[in-house]
Amino acid sequence: EVQLVESGGGLVRPGGSLRLSCAASGFNFSISSMNWVRQAPGKGLEWVSSISSRSTYLNYADSVKGRFTISRDNAENSLYLLMNSLSAEDTAVYYCVRDTWRGFDSWGQGALVSVSS
Amino acid sequence: EIVLTQSPGTLSLSPGERATLSCRASQSVGRTYVAWYLQRPGQSPRLLIYGASNRATGIPDRFSGSGSGTDFTLTISSLEPEDFAVYYCQQFGSSPTFGQGTKLEIK
Repeated sequence: EVQLVESGGGLVRPGGSLRLSCAASGFNFSISSMNWVRQAPGKGLEWVSSISSRSTYLNYADSVKGRFTISRDNAENSLYLLMNSLSAEDTAVYYCVRDTWRGFDSWGQGALVSVSS
Repeated sequence: EIVLTQSPGTLSLSPGERATLSCRASQSVGRTYVAWYLQRPGQSPRLLIYGASNRATGIPDRFSGSGSGTDFTLTISSLEPEDFAVYYCQQFGSSPTFGQGTKLEIK
């Protein structure tokens, strides 16, 4: 069974930084493309970033480009999102998502990031 | 960026009725790269339809998808109580985008 478990969420002050982690299990993580998708309170889904299986291709939404960095450790079956220069607009639940040819077929339970003074 | 516009924003129907949800893209999208997701309150989204018309694993056959180019449709043939939720369309080309969602509520 595919499992994606996010951690590292919490309350951070504007301008601060936070690093999210996602522990993957139940599938061959090292050959899977992965994504971060976020959802602000009461709002829709927003794709944030993607990373190919060997970290060759990285992609970011314009809203986070230059502030967020996606990375992965295939030996540890882990996905990361380093978030810098956070603002209130970044407040959201952040989902770790597996990417296949079918689309985003597996989602974690999400990690809440709250940016507030 | 490809913008996806879903309509209606909210759809009020009764169990047993047929639901038709629309997703329009700002430019043509290959069918392979169109998906639909369901999100129930307090839950993570779940893949429903991929490749515009293929049901994901475990999805009942009352759900169907169709469309091509810029216009895509999700149809639920006969609504069950658990179908009342929010539905999102997505294109997952080079930079994925989601529609703003359609909330399907009980009338």
